[in-house]
Amino acid sequence: AQKVTQAQTEISVVEKEDVTLDCVYETRDTTYYLFWYKQPPSGELVFLIRRNSFDEQNEISGRYSWNFQKSTSSFNFTITASQVVDSAVYFCALSEDDYKLSFGAGTTVTVRA
Amino acid sequence: ETGVTQTPRHLVMGMTNKKSLKCEQHLGHNAMYWYKQSAKKPLELMFVYNFKEQTENNSVPSRFSPECPNSSHLFLHLHTLQPEDSALYLCASSQEGGAGNTIYFGEGSWLTVV
Repeated sequence: AQKVTQAQTEISVVEKEDVTLDCVYETRDTTYYLFWYKQPPSGELVFLIRRNSFDEQNEISGRYSWNFQKSTSSFNFTITASQVVDSAVYFCALSEDDYKLSFGAGTTVTVRA
Repeated sequence: ETGVTQTPRHLVMGMTNKKSLKCEQHLGHNAMYWYKQSAKKPLELMFVYNFKEQTENNSVPSRFSPECPNSSHLFLHLHTLQPEDSALYLCASSQEGGAGNTIYFGEGSWLTVV
């Protein structure tokens, strides 16, 4: 069964628009970790954020913000005032009781000038 | 500069060739990973090494053979591959191989099997 669901396959926005990427996860563990990664066309997966299950505070880093809601098993990611350099595939991932990362299928974001 | 470097970045090989992918991490980590990313498929974990010991082989065919001589280097030896093995192969590392450790990825090696 898919542990991480990213329902949006592709999102296209115009520069300066905000874009929100959805991530829904499934786990029976009480301790787990959630991640977001960015993959530009070059291929490298760039780490963006790590959040443990006991920290439900939302986080903001520059134009990026994350909304973690355990009640709905969601860990959504918002890019504010998007830029062309934000064009990439974004992956949400879940780590449970071991070192394995379960990745979602990814959301392709295209920001048009 | 990325903390995890992979060479070559691009590789085209025939089905009877033998080649190797190389990965080096400069982060002082103790765990290293190989992931495979195929078109339209989620990232798949292939192998995990923790303190140079292989701790995970995710049912990978024997035509893929990993080697970890030390905590900083990881190889993936390729032999008699199939066209369906064409993919992006990503190396990664983390401080340790435990739950919740942040995994840092390299830029990947794009492999095409002809």
